[in-house]
Amino acid sequence: DAGVTQSPTHLIKTRGQQVTLRCSPKSGHDTVSWYQQALGQGPQFIFQYYEEEERQRGNFPDRFSGHQFPNYSSELNVNALLLGDSALYLCASSKGLRNAADTQYFGPGTRLTVL
Amino acid sequence: SQQGEEDPQALSIQEGENATMNCSYKTSINNLQWYRQNSGRGLVHLILIRSNEREKHSGRLRVTLDTSKKSSSLLITASRAADTASYFCATDASRGAQKLVFGQGTRLTINP
Repeated sequence: DAGVTQSPTHLIKTRGQQVTLRCSPKSGHDTVSWYQQALGQGPQFIFQYYEEEERQRGNFPDRFSGHQFPNYSSELNVNALLLGDSALYLCASSKGLRNAADTQYFGPGTRLTVL
Repeated sequence: SQQGEEDPQALSIQEGENATMNCSYKTSINNLQWYRQNSGRGLVHLILIRSNEREKHSGRLRVTLDTSKKSSSLLITASRAADTASYFCATDASRGAQKLVFGQGTRLTINP
């Protein structure tokens, strides 16, 4: 049973560039959430996708956008990268918009470094 | 902004001892979850406790929830070196789609 997978593992970009991160949810899951974790901090919610629509969004600028595909996989796009965007980006999946267990399963993350 | 605050920020104990971490939050919640993270990798779900529950157990883990004090604690009994990690509490307070709000975590070190 495949868990949540993310690619790439590591990424180095320069300021002003754009980046796309990818996530495949755990088998049987249809909801994907994205989180940003700065060094030494807890993860912060970016947004959540369900049925190919953004359902909820955290306090992040429009430079952060996403997409969900019919197979439930998801992409996170960040435009005009800033040094402060350097972080571990975590993808989490769950079943349904709200399920009885309400547990989100996290992937290993993508480490983004902006120079 | 982060709702949960873990206490202590760092904890160092000897192998075999019990470790207790606390979490406080600000608003009413649907549930509270504890996660473990090793060396900046992905988060591993440990346990979920609903707002109408007061205590849950899972193996060597014991979680309590006091909604009147808006606080939770995670107890790890008979600690092992492999328990060395950062531990985060996360609250779900949203009415619609689930949105987890994490604290800053407790860094636990188990000394052999």
